Amino acid sequence: GQNIDQPTEMTATEGAIVQINCTYQTSGFNGLFWYQQHAGEAPTFLSYNVLDGLEEKGRFSSFLSRSKGYSYLLLKELQMKDSASYLCAVRGGDSSYKLIFGSGTRLLVRP
Amino acid sequence: KAGVTQTPRYLIKTRGQQVTLSCSPISGHRSVSWYQQTPGQGLQFLFEYFSETQRNKGNFPGRFSGRQFSNSRSEMNVSTLELGDSALYLCASSSADSYNEQFFGPGTRLTVL
Repeated sequence: GQNIDQPTEMTATEGAIVQINCTYQTSGFNGLFWYQQHAGEAPTFLSYNVLDGLEEKGRFSSFLSRSKGYSYLLLKELQMKDSASYLCAVRGGDSSYKLIFGSGTRLLVRP
Repeated sequence: KAGVTQTPRYLIKTRGQQVTLSCSPISGHRSVSWYQQTPGQGLQFLFEYFSETQRNKGNFPGRFSGRQFSNSRSEMNVSTLELGDSALYLCASSSADSYNEQFFGPGTRLTVL
């Protein structure tokens, strides 16, 4: 089967660092994506990993270990506007763009 | 470049009716994917169209169908609506140039009464 797990909720303080974990078991792997979704809005792309290692983009970094079926999203210098849901998604091994999503992690940033 | 557009943004229907949702991808994008998002199930893949052909299909009943036109615009249809079909329906477009990313539209919020 195909399964993607991530914590349901997390809380962090403004200015701090938070790490959101994602574990996956899928038939085939062609990349892992992180999306941010504010309430009532569409998901927006944050990061993409297909090779093991860390990808850094400003305050956001994403890590992938394919052998462990594991990824994390690291958010630094948290701001209030980072309060949102963070979705982990995997693209399977076929030629399509189909994404399999986890249930999402709702992050609340407190002052 | 304009983003992905979806119409209508909000829709209220009653059980047993049918509904058609529309998606216009980013200009030049030939792939359109549809997802259903509900609080309980999260984002679930419905189907993907590429150059007017269905390339992949999720685990949804046959009441859910779609098509893509020659200009890459896509429609999805749900027949014999059920209460459980109430959801946010999201469309995403991709191109070979942006293989790393799917661009999502704002979604259509469907409420079935």
